[in-house]
Amino acid sequence: GENVEQHPSTLSVQEGDSAVIKCTYSDSASNYFPWYKQELGKRPQLIIDIRSNVGEKKDQRIAVTLNKTAKHFSLHITETQPEDSAVYFCAASIPNFGNEKLTFGTGTRLTIIP
Amino acid sequence: DSGVTQTPKHLITATGQRVTLRCSPRSGDLSVYWYQQSLDQGLQFLIHYYNGEERAKGNILERFSAQQFPDLHSELNLSSLELGDSALYFCASSVYGVGGYTFGSGTRLTVV
Repeated sequence: GENVEQHPSTLSVQEGDSAVIKCTYSDSASNYFPWYKQELGKRPQLIIDIRSNVGEKKDQRIAVTLNKTAKHFSLHITETQPEDSAVYFCAASIPNFGNEKLTFGTGTRLTIIP
Repeated sequence: DSGVTQTPKHLITATGQRVTLRCSPRSGDLSVYWYQQSLDQGLQFLIHYYNGEERAKGNILERFSAQQFPDLHSELNLSSLELGDSALYFCASSVYGVGGYTFGSGTRLTVV
């Protein structure tokens, strides 16, 4: 099955600086890569996703890049703000005729230092 | 409110007991997924149902079972509970496949 590795496990960034979180996946058939943000005690929320036919996607201060050859994808947050502090999870799924499931990375705890 | 409803929000029970967690998906969503999140850990996939049928199983213990009913709500049954079963249990729903996966607020289970 799919295996997703995520680094770093913790990341502290000065407010206003950029943060980058990286994930690698094992199965080259994976074609969907979402990122979720989970604030303390709350549910994971989808913040951005990318499909394998696209190399990069942006949404205001966040962007995701995908390198299919190397089987890795990254989340970039620019101009970080205190409300960006949370745990971020990457995930991947393999197409399977409606039987897809998301395999999650182990999470990155991002702390924005005011 | 995400539209995915999980009850109860909190549950405290003793070892050896059995509990049932309930999930109502967003209106129109046919898929329900269950995940377990232990303290400071990632999200471990348990099971996926689509329109009443089991579609995929992950690392779900034999003591755990689930079903999806004709009205599309799902229940996760946990029996012979152990201390290590203490965790947040999330369900997520989607129309079809994983795109547009929406999580519920979770049930925090504490086994004492």
